[in-house]
Amino acid sequence: SQQGEEDPQALSIQEGENATMNCSYKTSINNLQWYRQNSGRGLVHLILIRSNEREKHSGRLRVTLDTSKKSSSLLITASRAADTASYFCATETNDYKLSFGAGTTVTVRA
Amino acid sequence: GAVVSQHPSRVICKSGTSVKIECRSLDFQATTMFWYRQFPKQSLMLMATSNEGSKATYEQGVEKDKFLINHASLTLSTLTVTSAHPEDSSFYICSADTGAREQYFGPGTRLTVT
Repeated sequence: SQQGEEDPQALSIQEGENATMNCSYKTSINNLQWYRQNSGRGLVHLILIRSNEREKHSGRLRVTLDTSKKSSSLLITASRAADTASYFCATETNDYKLSFGAGTTVTVRA
Repeated sequence: GAVVSQHPSRVICKSGTSVKIECRSLDFQATTMFWYRQFPKQSLMLMATSNEGSKATYEQGVEKDKFLINHASLTLSTLTVTSAHPEDSSFYICSADTGAREQYFGPGTRLTVT
């Protein structure tokens, strides 16, 4: 079943601006992961943050996790046209399955 | 490393026929593979978990007799959509677990049933 809810559903920004999207979930998790999907393609793993971590960085990506609020955010800094894609959060629970959020579609305008 | 392939990438079939989709881990052995389904502009929904040498575990609401899964080896899982209907048209994505609870996703298969 789908656990994550993402916000906003869609985001349009100018190249160079930052993009922030949020993910909320309902149950306890082992970790939370963010993925990118270009139109009609497979998923690319971006970053994993464990339940005992609060913040993680990878290049231009910054992920936060607040387990008390059951929420996470993904920040893409200095966006590029190539960042145009859909972004999904996925939570891993004790049964090691991934439950995906509805996704945020990001459009970066040149 | 950790590359997962799917074949075919696109398939069009007539209503009532069966279609087989292959998922392969190219450079690692995967004891567990997962099959997801994605409708346009929607999220991925887990259909089933496939373990090598045993029966697949299906999520609630997924018909096991319609979506046959075979995980015959540590590098190959197949999903067969039997007696396909237009409502089965979707994007099917598999993932393979390296054993370290890391899932690597295939590029997906676009199924269109006419």
